Order: sequence, then structure tokens, then C-alpha cells
Amino acid sequence: QQQVKQSPQSLIVQKGGISIINCAYENTAFDYFPWYQQFPGKGPALLIAIRPDVSEKKEGRFTISFNKSAKQFSLHIMDSQPGDSATYFCAATAGTSYGKLTFGQGTILTVHP
Amino acid sequence: DTAVSQTPKYLVTQMGNDKSIKCEQNLGHDTMYWYKQDSKKFLKIMFSYNNKELIINETVPNRFSPKSPDKAHLNLHINSLELGDSAVYFCASSLSGSDEQYFGPGTRLTVT
Repeated sequence: QQQVKQSPQSLIVQKGGISIINCAYENTAFDYFPWYQQFPGKGPALLIAIRPDVSEKKEGRFTISFNKSAKQFSLHIMDSQPGDSATYFCAATAGTSYGKLTFGQGTILTVHP
Repeated sequence: DTAVSQTPKYLVTQMGNDKSIKCEQNLGHDTMYWYKQDSKKFLKIMFSYNNKELIINETVPNRFSPKSPDKAHLNLHINSLELGDSAVYFCASSLSGSDEQYFGPGTRLTVT
């Protein structure tokens, strides 16, 4: 059962452009939505996260937009840089799930110089 | 200093063998996890331990047995390895009451 659906599967952006990755979830009990960044040969690294009580969270060039009624959230990377090229995963968890993270399928982002 | 470390980084073995992967965290966390990342990069939780007690077991075959000797360590032992066990295994940790999980560098297991 795929509870978090992520799109697109891959994304190519020019340097300085905006990268947008979308996720949709089914479980209304989810109350924490992190994004992870993974470089080849490395483990996923927590990038930014949001809770449903806010519609947007910004940290530097990274912004999460959250739409509770649509059960969707997205990651926006402003002024994308070649160093941002990585695989991005959205995830979700519920406070009752003992920390069990349910991941999306991942998006391979390539930023061309 | 590495926050979450795993050994070995690479593991190549034959079908039917038994192998172990070790994980250690120096973050002072009390909850540790094992995740499996398949060839399509999909990440799925396998186990979770809180204060050395198993709290999540996600329909993983009995050939997989996690062991937590203390809060800072969570090892994964795999018996009778199968081709389908080939994957990257990630250890992660968090603090009770926090949803932030920190991942190790992964162990790439190849079963031939």
C-alpha cells in the first residue's frame, strides 16, 4: 500500500531555476512531513520538515508548501544550484506510529550549470 | 565525528550465508531504526527499537533479526541470505518525542 505518492520521478532544471517536487498522502493521521536529500553513496539527510498547523515553511532556498485539505505538500528549491543535484524523498509519519516514516518514491533532481 | 555509523559499508556474500551489519549512534538518541532501500531507491522501514525494546517489526522475514545491546547500538543479523536481500540497508536514530530521524551512511549488501 503506497501511502505517499511523489512526483515527478526525475527533474532537470537549469541553474538559477526553481525546482518543484510534489507529494500526496492518504493517511489523515500523518502529522509530520519531512523532506530528505540523498547524494549518491550517502544516507538520506533531513532537509526541512513541516507540521499540518502551518501552510508554509521556509529555510533558506528551501520551502515546503502544505495543503491539508488536498492532502498534498511540495518542496520548492529556489535558485537551484548544481550542488543541489541529488535524490529527494518526501516522507510522512503519525504521532501514533512510533516514528515509522513512510517514504515517497523519490525524485532525482539534476541541476545543469 | 560521525553521528550514525554503520559497518561494513559494503558486504558481498553468497546465497545461504549468515551476515551481520552493525550500527552505532553517538547522538544520545534512544530510538533506532533499520530501513531497506531497494534497487529502485525505495525506502521502507524494517524495525525500530526504543530503549532496547522492539517497537516496530514491519512484516520482515524471520531470517532478519535485529539486536540492540544498548541504546547506542542496533545490529542486524541476516540468516540464510537470498538474492532478494540485495539492497542498501540504512540505520537511523531519533530521540523519543522528536520526529527527526538521522540516517547512517548505509551498507550495500550484495548477495550472489
